[in-house]
Amino acid sequence: GQQVMQIPQYQHVQEGEDFTTYCNSSTTLSNIQWYKQRPGGHPVFLIQLVKSGEVKKQKRLTFQFGEAKKNSSLHITATQTTDVGTYFCAEEYGGSQGNLIFGKGTKLSVKP
Amino acid sequence: DGGITQSPKYLFRKEGQNVTLSCEQNLNHDAMYWYRQDPGQGLRLIYYSQIVNDFQKGDIAEGYSVSREKKESFPLTVTSAQKNPTAFYLCASKRGNIQYFGAGTRLSVL
Repeated sequence: GQQVMQIPQYQHVQEGEDFTTYCNSSTTLSNIQWYKQRPGGHPVFLIQLVKSGEVKKQKRLTFQFGEAKKNSSLHITATQTTDVGTYFCAEEYGGSQGNLIFGKGTKLSVKP
Repeated sequence: DGGITQSPKYLFRKEGQNVTLSCEQNLNHDAMYWYRQDPGQGLRLIYYSQIVNDFQKGDIAEGYSVSREKKESFPLTVTSAQKNPTAFYLCASKRGNIQYFGAGTRLSVL
């Protein structure tokens, strides 16, 4: 079945280092979404990418959608302790129903 | 103060017992969802409802049931047929194609 693969599963960084998580799909995606879940919290929507090759920035976060719309990445520049959490990508499927299938997430820990 | 409210925050289930998790939203969203999250795993879809009085099974519906009698409410019942219910349960509603999540309910087995 349709699935989105996300790597790495875990990432430990020193505060100030950069961080990247990747999502790959076997099929062409209509769009891809990114969510962040803080420890003990719930997923919160970050951004949606729709266009081939799209790049969007939110402060230190850079989101990219691949040219073939089969992969996406989230890059955080100069991580801070507030970036700690699990980052999920999610792809939409089901046509008009618009259900999401989530990657397993990348859990980021930041050492101060 | 708009949002999605899940209750209780923590719930314990005895062997053979059915328990119901509450999810209420005042966002006027039509679509609502229930997910299960296990440690180190992504979110897996249990049930979803696009409109009042209608709902569909997700990927892991066995052992669960739902109802959607009101737009604002989408309760999830974890039945005794669900043999491994310990997990974090998340309810969400959708506007456009963006989902908004409640704070979740942690269910454990006594």
